[in-house]
Amino acid sequence: QLQLQESGPGLVKPSETLSLACTVSGGTIDSSSFFWGWVRQPPGKGLEWIGSIYHRGNTFYNPSLKSRVTISIDTSNNQFSLKLSSVTAADTAVYYCARLDFGVVTPDYWGQGTLVTVSS
Amino acid sequence: EIVMTQTPLSSPVTLGQPASISCRSTQSLVHSDGNTYLSWLQQRPGQPPRLLIYQISNRVSGVPDRFSGSGAGTDFTLKISRVEAEDVGVYYCMHAIQSTWTFGHGTKVEIK
Repeated sequence: QLQLQESGPGLVKPSETLSLACTVSGGTIDSSSFFWGWVRQPPGKGLEWIGSIYHRGNTFYNPSLKSRVTISIDTSNNQFSLKLSSVTAADTAVYYCARLDFGVVTPDYWGQGTLVTVSS
Repeated sequence: EIVMTQTPLSSPVTLGQPASISCRSTQSLVHSDGNTYLSWLQQRPGQPPRLLIYQISNRVSGVPDRFSGSGAGTDFTLKISRVEAEDVGVYYCMHAIQSTWTFGHGTKVEIK
C-alpha cells in the first residue's frame, strides 16, 4: 500500500523559508506514471494547489506562488520536497503531499498533512 | 485560469435523505484527448482529502455506490443517494491535468 508522509518544522518565522519533505513508501517515486504534488489548506479554509513535479524534475507551480516556490525530487531517497520562501502568517496551513496518477489524472494518494505555523 | 464554483456552500441533510452538490467551471473541462478530468474528493473532519470519483462518474474502489457523479462540459454534480453519518465532511470538486490542479471551494455536508 502506497504511503506518503510529510515531514519538517511545524513553526517557521516570518520572512524565513518553509521547508518540507514528502517520503513515499510502498512504491517508487521514479516512475513515468505519476506526478507528485503539494497542496495546502489554511485553517478552516479550502484546498490550494502549490505545485507539482515529475520524476525527471519537470515542475509546474501555482502562478500565485511561483515566485516563492521550489519543488525538487530525490529519487534515490524516494522523496520530494517543497521550499516556500519569504513566508508570512498567510502561509500558515496544513501542507499535504499527494500523487497524481496519469491513469486517472487526479490525485489518488495523499499524505496525512503537516501543520506549519508562521509566527515569531 | 479555470475557476471551479460549488453550490451550495453548506448542505444540512437528514440522515437517509439525498444530498446533491453542484460544480461549475468557467471553461469546458473536456481535454483534447476526449476525456473530462473532473474529480470529487471527500474530506472528513481532521482527515486528508480522499478521492471518491474521477473522470466525472468513476467511483474509486471501496467507495459506496450511494455516491454518484454526473455531468459534462462545465456542469457537474455529485449525489449521495442516502446520507449516512460517516458522510459528514467537506466535498471538493477538482480539475487536474499534469500541469495544474484546480479545486472548488468546497461544500460542507452536515446532519440536520
